[in-house]
Amino acid sequence: QKEVEQNSGPLSVPEGAIASLNCTYSDRGSQSFFWYRQYSGKSPELIMFIYSNGDKEDGRFTAQLNKASQYVSLLIRDSQPSDSATYLCAVNANNFNKFYFGSGTKLNVKP
Amino acid sequence: EAQVTQNPRYLITVTGKKLTVTCSQNMNHEYMSWYRQDPGLGLRQIYYSMNVEVTDKGDVPEGYKVSRKEKRNFPLILESPSPNQTSLYFCASSWRDTQYFGPGTRLTVL
Repeated sequence: QKEVEQNSGPLSVPEGAIASLNCTYSDRGSQSFFWYRQYSGKSPELIMFIYSNGDKEDGRFTAQLNKASQYVSLLIRDSQPSDSATYLCAVNANNFNKFYFGSGTKLNVKP
Repeated sequence: EAQVTQNPRYLITVTGKKLTVTCSQNMNHEYMSWYRQDPGLGLRQIYYSMNVEVTDKGDVPEGYKVSRKEKRNFPLILESPSPNQTSLYFCASSWRDTQYFGPGTRLTVL
């Protein structure tokens, strides 16, 4: 079983819609959760991190964490074509120095 | 400009020929890490370093070595590369929970 699971997609949404990206993780002791965006041919860049159960908002992005269900999600409101990328979920395990990444969900935002 | 640099960006080599991929950061970060990215498998951590002379294994360390003699540099060494090490490699340095990734090194081992 992989440490972090994501649906590979592609997820297609029209411009202006809400994109919902999901991630599950296996280690109940995980402490920190991250969403990265990776454009094709580029390196990952951090969008948000979340530590506590609930929602965390940053501009058009909202991260949601449910530790009981071992579930993390990222909502992108008012999706733009420039949001088209692969979104990587990452988890900082019990050992704070180790990071586990999902394989990513490809998002296509259609104009 | 704050950045993580990697060299070379592209490398084609043959099985068994030792190689080093360099990584350097100018942000004075203590934590640095190496990842490989393969289709369908995502990013997998190879090694990480908490500080100078402090390194530890990540998820997939077999076939790789690292050293951290200076804070800014964290080279990745493949003593005897094999075709299954063909991959896209990323170095990252981090401050608190924010990891900054280098541009990547695409390695092909024939």
